Amino acid sequence: GAVVSQHPSWVICKSGTSVKIECRSLDFQATTMFWYRQFPKQSLMLMATSNEGSKATYEQGVEKDKFLINHASLTLSTLTVTSAHPEDSSFYICSAPGTLLNEQFFGPGTRLTVL
Amino acid sequence: AQSVAQPEDQVNVAEGNPLTVKCTYSVSGNPYLFWYVQYPNRGLQFLLKYITGDNLVKGSYGFEAEFNKSQTSFHLKKPSALVSDSALYFCAVRGGGGGNKLTFGTGTQLKVEL
Repeated sequence: GAVVSQHPSWVICKSGTSVKIECRSLDFQATTMFWYRQFPKQSLMLMATSNEGSKATYEQGVEKDKFLINHASLTLSTLTVTSAHPEDSSFYICSAPGTLLNEQFFGPGTRLTVL
Repeated sequence: AQSVAQPEDQVNVAEGNPLTVKCTYSVSGNPYLFWYVQYPNRGLQFLLKYITGDNLVKGSYGFEAEFNKSQTSFHLKKPSALVSDSALYFCAVRGGGGGNKLTFGTGTQLKVEL
């Protein structure tokens, strides 16, 4: 099956700094990618839909200026957590639809810890 | 709006016994239903899906799920559990209206013991 990678797999940063997380589709193109956030022992919450060549679509309650999304190419989407605070600490997962209807491939996730 | 309910936070079962992880859904139109498994600090792995056709869907690692339209359920089952099946299981739904947005349940922690 198709592979989606994320980098880094984990990151620790100081409060107030910005952190960029990359999501790549390795052997297929993705005009759309999804960014999820998962708190410990909780479900995945969709944060935004990343669209290649256009603005991301954010879910209700997600701060656009805090979680910057850029879909620069057909294989790369980035999520930048700006001015990170401890409450932003979470597991961030991206996914990309495959070529077949209803396929969706998930990245391995990025663990963000803000001190 | 579409939604998924997984009523059990945790399911405990002895190895070799059958297991069931429950899922009910609410969606407009025909549902597209999925089960994913997540191991600690890992992303989600696809297990199986129901799109159309037979109500009993077979997936990876010996898992299967039964689509029940009248009860709006899609319970995950396995005839004989393994300790290695211990993980977090998510049910997800996508409405038939288009788009690829998935709505996930809250997850069920499966613990299989010797």
